[in-house]
Amino acid sequence: AQSVAQPEDQVNVAEGNPLTVKCTYSVSGNPYLFWYVQYPNRGLQFLLKYITGDNLVKGSYGFEAEFNKSQTSFHLKKPSALVSDSALYFCAVRDDGAGGFKTIFGAGTRLFVKA
Amino acid sequence: EAGVAQSPRYKIIEKRQSVAFWCNPISGHATLYWYQQILGQGPKLLIQFKNNGVVDDSQLPKDRFSAERLKGVDSTLKIQPAKLEDSAVYLCASSLVAGASTDTQYFGPGTRLTVL
Repeated sequence: AQSVAQPEDQVNVAEGNPLTVKCTYSVSGNPYLFWYVQYPNRGLQFLLKYITGDNLVKGSYGFEAEFNKSQTSFHLKKPSALVSDSALYFCAVRDDGAGGFKTIFGAGTRLFVKA
Repeated sequence: EAGVAQSPRYKIIEKRQSVAFWCNPISGHATLYWYQQILGQGPKLLIQFKNNGVVDDSQLPKDRFSAERLKGVDSTLKIQPAKLEDSAVYLCASSLVAGASTDTQYFGPGTRLTVL
């Protein structure tokens, strides 16, 4: 069965420092991985996705994510955090196996960037 | 390009009452999704439509929840009767391709339901 885990409920980082939001996954087939961001009282916004190819994926707002097949991870990163990056981040997974149509979301990680 | 529209944005009802949510996906998007997001959790898929047909409704509590997507465009999600545990944000999303696993979903702002 598909699953995704975000081990940290909250990540705190100072503005200007690099940030990492962690995500690990489990699928039966090839993984398709997504990151979404949610600002207060708004729906989820797409940041980036990994389908195939280069393990480093670049997305919106300067974010990137590294796919690591051996560690089954897809961590979200940004070289220099902004206060405006403070939000709730969700990792999600689909696969091309039996569970392919369903997107499974993690519980979310709240990022807090301090000025 | 207009995004996914949802209404109402907020709804407060008493338990055992009925409620309906409306979603208008991005024009041309074949696939429409309804998610339930309980506070502190990630979104959980309730139902997925491909055009006007149901692709996956395995997690929809069919004794009280129903959804339709007439003419393959707008969709309505209904709860009848509501329970306290239905308090959540109901998110609608759409994607361009019909059911592709690689497809990006675009989300509406959600409807926050409070059941008293």
